[in-house]
Amino acid sequence: KNQVEQSPQSLIILEGKNCTLQCNYTVSPFSNLRWYKQDTGRGPVSLTIMTFSENTKSNGRYTATLDADTKQSSLHITASQLSDSASYICVVSDRGSTLGRLYFGRGTQLTVWP
Amino acid sequence: EADIYQTPRYLVIGTGKKITLECSQTMGHDKMYWYQQDPGMELHLIHYSYGVNSTEKGDLSSESTVSRIRTEHFPLTLESARPSHTSQYLCASSGSTSPGQGAAWNTEAFFGQGTRLTVV
Repeated sequence: KNQVEQSPQSLIILEGKNCTLQCNYTVSPFSNLRWYKQDTGRGPVSLTIMTFSENTKSNGRYTATLDADTKQSSLHITASQLSDSASYICVVSDRGSTLGRLYFGRGTQLTVWP
Repeated sequence: EADIYQTPRYLVIGTGKKITLECSQTMGHDKMYWYQQDPGMELHLIHYSYGVNSTEKGDLSSESTVSRIRTEHFPLTLESARPSHTSQYLCASSGSTSPGQGAAWNTEAFFGQGTRLTVV
C-alpha cells in the first residue's frame, strides 16, 4: 500500500533555531517527492521537488534531502522565523499510472515562538 | 506565482442547497484534482481528471460530482449539501513537460487557495 508518514506530528521551536522534519514513504514506483508549506486556511505552496537522482536541494533557508534507497526524506529549516509557523506536507508522486498520483503525508505542524 | 483560482474562498449555505465550487487554471495543465481537508488533517483526493471529458473518483468517497468540459475549468458540484460536507476543498493542477512516461511526472503541482465550505 502506498503511504507517506511524517514525523513529528507537531513541533515547537524558538525563533532563530534550526529544525528537521522527517518523511518516510512506501510509494512505488517512485517518481518524485515534494515538500509543501501550508498556512492555516490556505492552499499548499511548493518548497522543493526532488527526483530519484537528487540527494539534496535547497530553497533559501529550506534544505531537503532524499535517500531513495531507504525511502526517506527530510526538510531542514535554518534560522527559523515566526513566518515559518505552518504545516509542512510531504507529497510523493508515483509513475505507475497515467495520472502520476500524489500521496500526501499528514503534515508536521511547526510553531515558531518569539 | 501559480495561476490557479478557486471561488468562492468562503461559503456558508443551508442544508439541501445545490452548490458549485469553481476551479480554473491558466497554465494549460492537463491534470486537475480536487482534495478535501478537515482542520489539522491530511488532504484526501476526492476527484481527478487527466484531460477534457475524463473524470475519476479519488480515494475518499464523496457525494460530489465534477465535470471537465474545458481544459482550464474543473468545477465541483454538490446537489444537496449537508452539514457532513463542511470542510475545506482544495483544487490542484499539474502538467506534463514532455511526452513520455519518464519525464512527464516530474512536474510541479499547484494548488488553489481553497474554498472553506460550511453547511448549516
